[in-house]
This record gives sequence, C-alpha cells and structure tokens, in this order.
Amino acid sequence: KAGVTQTPRYLIKTRGQQVTLSCSPISGHRSVSWYQQTPGQGLQFLFEYFSETQRNKGNFPGRFSGRQFSNSRSEMNVSTLELGDSALYLCASSLASGGEKLFFGSGTQLSVL
Amino acid sequence: GESVGLHLPTLSVQEGDNSIINCAYSNSASDYFIWYKQESGKGPQFIIDIRSNMDKRQGQRVTVLLNKTVKHLSLQIAATQPGDSAVYFCAENTSGTYKYIFGTGTRLKVLA
Repeated sequence: KAGVTQTPRYLIKTRGQQVTLSCSPISGHRSVSWYQQTPGQGLQFLFEYFSETQRNKGNFPGRFSGRQFSNSRSEMNVSTLELGDSALYLCASSLASGGEKLFFGSGTQLSVL
Repeated sequence: GESVGLHLPTLSVQEGDNSIINCAYSNSASDYFIWYKQESGKGPQFIIDIRSNMDKRQGQRVTVLLNKTVKHLSLQIAATQPGDSAVYFCAENTSGTYKYIFGTGTRLKVLA
C-alpha cells in the first residue's frame, strides 16, 4: 500500500507570493491533517479534514487555508507569503483521526526569500 | 533535507546499550499517545502508541511507559543500533479534538 504522498518536495517562493501544497493520503484513509515544522517551534498543528469538512484548526493566521476533496486528497494554501513561513509542511493521514495512528508524508520544504 | 530541531536535547548512547527517551505531555485530558522517529529529510515515522487505560506497551525492541499521575511518557529502546539515530517525538491526542500536540523532540545519537 502506498504511503502518504506530498508534492512538491521542495519549493522556493518570494515574499508576497502564494503557494499551494498537495497531499494524497493512504488509500482508505479519510482524515488528513497538516502540520508545520520549524527548528524553533517544532511541529505545530495547522488543520484537520475529514470527509471534506474541517474539524479543527490551529492557531495560524487566515493566510493559511486548506481543503479536502471527495477522494480524500487535500491541498493547503498559503497566501501573501512571509519569511517566517519558511518551514517543512507535513501532511498526515489516518482512518478517522483522534485516537488513531497518524501516518506522515515526507513533507514539502518551503523556502520564502 | 532540513535539519530538524537545531537546539534539541541530545541523548548519546553506546551501540548495544539501552536508550530511554522521556517526554512530559501537556494535557491531563490526553488519552492517546504516539512516539515518532524522524530522520533527516523525512517525515515522522510511527514507532509505537499507547492509550491512557494502559501504563505499558511493548513492541519490537521498544517499550512505552505512561505515567498519568505526573504526565510523563517514556520510550525505551533495547540494544540500540546505529539505525536508531534520529530525532524522537512524543505526540498526545485528546478524544474529539482531531489534533495532536507534539513534544519538542530528543535527538538520539548512537556511538559505535
């Protein structure tokens, strides 16, 4: 069974631009979560989706948004990029989330110049 | 890949010795816990999990201990190998929140 797939693997953007990251969960997994990882803040929860509905959102500004499609694939978008948005963005999937194992992709490394 | 946690606490152990990695979790209502291993340039990899109705769980070469009284979690790795070198994170979940809170991580270095 294929794991969680994230694309692209690396991205370089400039301040003010926007970016869209993609995540394909493990087949059969309906919950997709996104996390931001930085050396200073560690792993921080962004949001979680299940059956196209956002069930929880972390403490990030409105520039961070996401969505989930009917096939459980998910995208997250960051608008008006800032230097501080440089991070590894990790997607995780699980059967239902909450008391279930989370399986992570390799992440998208975003650099904002 | 990105260097994860440039200022992480580091545990150095000799190859073949046992390792113990500790984690203090934040929420007394958390009822599910996971340990992850992250190697450079990769996403976190599931190691072992435990629910709050248990205080110990064993896997292959790994044991997780949960002490709810002091909100403490530990991961024991038996006969540590060079391939165990990585950053280890604990994660906690509270039912109904659909999110995990991650610890700051510990870097494990295995000395040959």
